[in-house]
Amino acid sequence: DAGVTQSPTHLIKTRGQQVTLRCSPKSGHDTVSWYQQALGQGPQFIFQYYEEEERQRGNFPDRFSGHQFPNYSSELNVNALLLGDSALYLCASSVGTGGSYEQYFGPGTRLTVT
Amino acid sequence: DQQVKQNSPSLSVQEGRISILNCDYTNSMFDYFLWYKKYPAEGPTFLISISSIKDKNEDGRFTVFLNKSAKHLSLHIVPSQPGDSAVYFCAASAEETSGSRLTFGEGTQLTVNP
Repeated sequence: DAGVTQSPTHLIKTRGQQVTLRCSPKSGHDTVSWYQQALGQGPQFIFQYYEEEERQRGNFPDRFSGHQFPNYSSELNVNALLLGDSALYLCASSVGTGGSYEQYFGPGTRLTVT
Repeated sequence: DQQVKQNSPSLSVQEGRISILNCDYTNSMFDYFLWYKKYPAEGPTFLISISSIKDKNEDGRFTVFLNKSAKHLSLHIVPSQPGDSAVYFCAASAEETSGSRLTFGEGTQLTVNP
């Protein structure tokens, strides 16, 4: 049973460019959450998708947007990249949006903005 | 506003001894607490959780204690093993207000010496 997968593993972009990160949830999971982990920090919640809609959003600007497809996979898009967007981007999947449901994390995409 | 705090960036213990990792929170709406373990180049892996209606949950070598009045939780690992060396994150969720959205602490690097 494949767990949560993310692509690409690493990415280098230039300031001002746009980037798309992809996530496939664990089999049987229908909810996808995205987190940003800066160096030396804990993951910070970006947003969550359920039934192809953004259900919750953290304190991130509109440059961060996302999408969920009918097969539950998801994309995270970041426009007008800033140096401060350099981080590990983690995708987590779960069943439903309840707080007690365990979330499974992917290995992350390391984004470097130069 | 750091709602979940892990005040010890690092902890070093001898193999076979007890490891105690601590976490404090400020948001009284949090009702579910989780510990995740993270190895380099991997996503966080769920370790153990506790609901706010309990004060202790045990799973093998891992025990989590919750003190709601002090807004404090701790993770005990007994006995500690070298393979436990990793970064440990404390996380919390508030079912009523934000569902499965997780708020993480900054992490504690645990090193277990043989």
